[in-house]
Amino acid sequence: QSALTQPASVSASPGQSITISCTGTSSDVGGYNFVSWYQQHPGKAPKVMIYDVSNRPSGVSHRFSGSKSGNTASLTISGLQTEDEAEYYCTSYTTTKTWVFGGGTKLTVL
Amino acid sequence: QVQLQESGPGLVKPSGTLSLTCAVSGGPISSTYWWSWVRQPPGTGLEWIGQIHHSGDTIYNPSLKSRVTISADKSKNLFSLNLNSVTAADTAVYYCARRVEGRSLFDFWGQGILVTVSS
Repeated sequence: QSALTQPASVSASPGQSITISCTGTSSDVGGYNFVSWYQQHPGKAPKVMIYDVSNRPSGVSHRFSGSKSGNTASLTISGLQTEDEAEYYCTSYTTTKTWVFGGGTKLTVL
Repeated sequence: QVQLQESGPGLVKPSGTLSLTCAVSGGPISSTYWWSWVRQPPGTGLEWIGQIHHSGDTIYNPSLKSRVTISADKSKNLFSLNLNSVTAADTAVYYCARRVEGRSLFDFWGQGILVTVSS
């Protein structure tokens, strides 16, 4: 199984909004509404921000939202804050009942 | 509050077997969750290794399937990872995580343990 495709990096200023894409195939992202997003700060474990495409766990800021169109899922962060600077990973369920991660996107808040 | 804690050797010799344990507290592993292992080589991204269900069913990453075994001990409330025939490419931080059944929600993670493969 191939890793999902994410941009290597994105950057924006505080207060702005960004969107990170996660592209797969009809065998993973496009085939199921089982896409989730994880935030990882250096040296820390991943933390779930969005699950099942667009659901936000309790305690996660409303500034984080998710969507999907075809084989591409997206994570949008609005009103960027300096603490949002981190690595972000998507993951998707696949037709072989396994899970595949994206390569990760480094978000820099300038 | 559920907590997961990885433990095991931080150094494994090439061609040897990597063995890690994930102790779960705050809830039984005999519940409707999948218990997973994920790894992260230094400076790179996350890789899903595999998972075990409370029923004992297991599913593995096809790229690692021939070398991986995940098992669970309900009496001790822990699950384990064995990866054999290791090489330097298996050097990584290994995380255990809980996934909610029927959801793409890996909601609790261990802190991670660095395992280095070197002679």
